[in-house]
Amino acid sequence: DTEVTQTPKHLVMGMTNKKSLKCEQHMGHRAMYWYKQKAKKPPELMFVYSYEKLSINESVPSRFSPECPNSSLLNLHLHALQPEDSALYLCASSHGTSGFTDTQYFGPGTRLTVL
Amino acid sequence: GEDVEQSLFLSVREGDSSVINCTYTDSSSTYLYWYKQEPGAGLQLLTYIFSNMDMKQDQRLTVLLNKKDKHLSLRIADTQTGDSAIYFCAESIGGATNKLIFGTGTLLAVQP
Repeated sequence: DTEVTQTPKHLVMGMTNKKSLKCEQHMGHRAMYWYKQKAKKPPELMFVYSYEKLSINESVPSRFSPECPNSSLLNLHLHALQPEDSALYLCASSHGTSGFTDTQYFGPGTRLTVL
Repeated sequence: GEDVEQSLFLSVREGDSSVINCTYTDSSSTYLYWYKQEPGAGLQLLTYIFSNMDMKQDQRLTVLLNKKDKHLSLRIADTQTGDSAIYFCAESIGGATNKLIFGTGTLLAVQP
């Protein structure tokens, strides 16, 4: 099983709203990732968690707040977003353990629209 | 630099072979990947190749790696309309928690 699930599939929010994106995997992976993808562009890395600790933050604005409550779950909390934050948000996971091919498996994404 | 280049568009007829090319920049990359993305969907891992290999075949897919020229290609044999999608190559840089640098993506259009 190489499934990463994401909810919701679609999200529309105003600039004053607070919402959260959720990602889940049950492959025993210890690394989880958030990517942002604009239309017709490649995914851009936002955050990496390794063993539930934030290991990479690619200078993402503070209106995006990641959280890894346990090894299977990854959240992205959104607050005071701008219309230019509208994009497909992709979650991925990988073994994150030395000795394994660290292939990333992606979820289906959440399509976010900020009005 | 971290630019990974791909041609933007490829059009083929159903049943023909497709070859999608990728030029990467980091000679220390350990693994190189091919992902497929259908409209509105996430990224589907197709295959990957370790940097000490020249070729990998997996059913209709053949990956060729020229490490000297930093050139990677994906050949799809007997291309079908269901293969129409955007294809991204990606190189991994880093250790166990690797960072993927994606190519610009190639839109493959398969004509019936």
